[in-house]
Amino acid sequence: DAGVIQSPRHEVTEMGQEVTLRCKPISGHDYLFWYRQTMMRGLELLIYFNNNVPIDDSGMPEDRFSAKMPNASFSTLKIQPSEPRDSAVYFCASSFSGGRQPQHFGDGTRLSIL
Amino acid sequence: GDSVTQMEGPVTLSEEAFLTINCTYTATGYPSLFWYVQYPGEGLQLLLKATKADDKGSNKGFEATYRKETTSFHLEKGSVQVSDSAVYFCALEGGSEKLVFGKGTKLTVNP
Repeated sequence: DAGVIQSPRHEVTEMGQEVTLRCKPISGHDYLFWYRQTMMRGLELLIYFNNNVPIDDSGMPEDRFSAKMPNASFSTLKIQPSEPRDSAVYFCASSFSGGRQPQHFGDGTRLSIL
Repeated sequence: GDSVTQMEGPVTLSEEAFLTINCTYTATGYPSLFWYVQYPGEGLQLLLKATKADDKGSNKGFEATYRKETTSFHLEKGSVQVSDSAVYFCALEGGSEKLVFGKGTKLTVNP
């Protein structure tokens, strides 16, 4: 079975540019999560969706960050404008509800803002 | 709110040594507990889980028992291998579908 697919795997861009990260969850999963991982702050939950609807975005650091899930098989996390402190590894994860199922993670996008 | 505390790393062991990584939690209700492993350059992978008190999760020689009386879920392996070198995360899910993670413990196993 295909796992969670994230693209791009690596992104290097200059400060001020718009960055779009993409995620394809596992088919049939109805929850989707976006995380950010840094050495300083560890793993942080940014936002999560259920059935394409955002449920909790309290982890989104600033208005520069936005996330969408237009359908069950695609989500984006956008940063506009980007800043060097946004440099991190961003993970997408998905899960199936009904009995506390584990989350399945993608391999992440390593983002570097110069 | 819910929280997870796991032992600070890094942990360095020789091959075939015994491994314990401590994890304790605070939660209202009866959470499910997980151990995830992250190999370099990869995402987190589920290692094992337990959904109720006294359950033992096991996988690839790793074990952890859900201890409600001590609110713990310690990870153990009897004989580690170089290939076990990774970062290990303890996590709980308290019914909201959100995972609460510990800070992670980096394990290095030397030959």
